[in-house]
Amino acid sequence: KAGVTQTPRYLIKTRGQQVTLSCSPISGHRSVSWYQQTPGQGLQFLFEYFSETQRNKGNFPGRFSGRQFSNSRSEMNVSTLELGDSALYLCASSPGPGETQYFGPGTRLLVL
Amino acid sequence: QKEVEQNSGPLSVPEGAIASLNCTYSDRGSQSFFWYRQYSGKSPELIMSIYSNGDKEDGRFTAQLNKASQYVSLLIRDSQPSDSATYLCAVRGEGGNQFYFGTGTSLTVIP
Repeated sequence: KAGVTQTPRYLIKTRGQQVTLSCSPISGHRSVSWYQQTPGQGLQFLFEYFSETQRNKGNFPGRFSGRQFSNSRSEMNVSTLELGDSALYLCASSPGPGETQYFGPGTRLLVL
Repeated sequence: QKEVEQNSGPLSVPEGAIASLNCTYSDRGSQSFFWYRQYSGKSPELIMSIYSNGDKEDGRFTAQLNKASQYVSLLIRDSQPSDSATYLCAVRGEGGNQFYFGTGTSLTVIP
């Protein structure tokens, strides 16, 4: 089975811009979670989607949003980028909510 | 109080020794526990999951869970330099199935 794929792998943006990241889960997995990882904060939960519905949301501002499509692929969007948004954004795939999560390679975002 | 706490390390052990990584959690109703390994610049990869009190062994890895003490650990026997990585403890909360991650323990195995 193919693993979790994330695109793009690397991004450089400037403050004020917006960005969209994509995640394709493992075939058959219907739950997708997004995390932000920074050296100081570790893995911070952004949100979880299952069957095109957001089930959980972490403590991030409204600039961070996401969605899931009928084929379980998910996107997350960050608007009005700030320097502090520079991080590794990880997508995790699981068969269903609360089940074992498998991570994609991540998208490394640098905001200048 | 953080949901999941780990000693950040760094933890250094000689090759062939046992490395012991510890994790405590605050949600007493948590039912699922996971250990992930993350090499520098890479994404986390699942090592083991454990759901019941006691020990669970998989090759050189043993996970130990004590729900009464809200404590989960990972032992790595016969440590190898390739085990050098950051180890993340994850706990699934009782309520909304959300996962909580510790900040990780950095392990270095010295040849």
